[in-house]
Order: sequence, then C-alpha cells, then structure tokens
Amino acid sequence: SQQGEEDPQALSIQEGENATMNCSYKTSINNLQWYRQNSGRGLVHLILIRSNEREKHSGRLRVTLDTSKKSSSLLITASRAADTASYFCATARTTGANSKLTFGKGITLSVRP
Amino acid sequence: ETGVTQTPRHLVMGMTNKKSLKCEQHLGHNAMYWYKQSAKKPLELMFVYNFKEQTENNSVPSRFSPECPNSSHLFLHLHTLQPEDSALYLCASSQGEGFAYNEQFFGPGTRLTVL
Repeated sequence: SQQGEEDPQALSIQEGENATMNCSYKTSINNLQWYRQNSGRGLVHLILIRSNEREKHSGRLRVTLDTSKKSSSLLITASRAADTASYFCATARTTGANSKLTFGKGITLSVRP
Repeated sequence: ETGVTQTPRHLVMGMTNKKSLKCEQHLGHNAMYWYKQSAKKPLELMFVYNFKEQTENNSVPSRFSPECPNSSHLFLHLHTLQPEDSALYLCASSQGEGFAYNEQFFGPGTRLTVL
C-alpha cells in the first residue's frame, strides 16, 4: 500500500501567506523527506527529518514529525510566487534486507502574486 | 542544476521503435535510480543500482531494460513500448550505504510519448 499520502491535494494562497502541507504514512519509518517539483522538471530535495527528530528548519521551511500519529507537516512561511510547485513527501524505511524510499502523489501549491 | 543530467529531454517513439534514455551524475554517488512519473500517480521506482549492481527491479516489464556500465552512468533501453508507458522518466542518484536513507538528487527527466 502507498506509504505517504499528502493533504490537501491542492492549495492556493496569496503571496506572503503561509502554506501548510501534511503527510500521513502507515508503517514505521527511518526518516521522512520533502521534495519540490516545478512543472515538468525533476524533484529537488528540500529537507530530511529523522524518526528521532520532531522539528527541523531550513530557511523559510519548517518540518515537523509526529511518529505517534505517523504524520508530518511542511510549513512554508511568507510564500512567494516562485514557491508555486508540487510538493512530495517520501518515507524511507527498511523491510528485511531492503531499504526503500516511497513517494506520495504530491500537493500542488499555487501562490498568487 | 542538481548534478544529474538526462538526455534526451523529450522523446516521441512508435510502439515498434527501440530507443535509449541516458542519465549521468557528476556527484560521485554510488547509487542510481530510474523512476516513472505518470499523471495523478505516485512516483514509481523502477530500478536501483548500487555500485553498478542492480539491487532492485520493481516488477518492471521486460520491454524496459536498464544498463549501468559504471557508477556515473545509467541507461534505460526501450523496445516495443505501449502507449500507457508514456510518462516522465526520472533518474536520481544518492550517496552512501543504506542508500534509501539519504537524499536523492534528480535529473530533469525525459518526457516520453509512445504513439
């Protein structure tokens, strides 16, 4: 079954507002990662949070992880039009001898100038 | 630029054609991946190579054939594809053992259309 599911599927905000995106997953993980993808381009890694971490910051990005609820959130503060993109959460976990990074379907964020 | 390049960026092919996608990473990573991205579906992992050895094949049809001659280059050979194979094909690389734990660096992708 799909590991990471983002919510909402689409989000439209005004420039300057904050954007909050959520990700839920079903099984235990080693870490959770957030990626951004501009239309028709490759994914760009934004931030990685390990299972023993609760919060992480990078510039205007803030990521939280709640392993008891199996959920994470990505907050983009003071959004800009250039933040318009799709955002994906990806969960890294080990199953037996294998490790895997599983992506969700993504959230489409539109930031209106 | 992420240090991962892919060629061609766009490819249109008929179902009877044979073509190849190329990926090159300039980051010194040891692991490389092929992903398929279709509209409204999660990113699908196709193949994983670690130190040139294939470590994962996610039940990909044999009409997709990967090749990894060295840790910097990865190919995806295509033959007798179907229209439903039309998608964005992404290559990625990462560093270290337990590779799935680490961030992955993606190329810009090849937009494939099968007629």
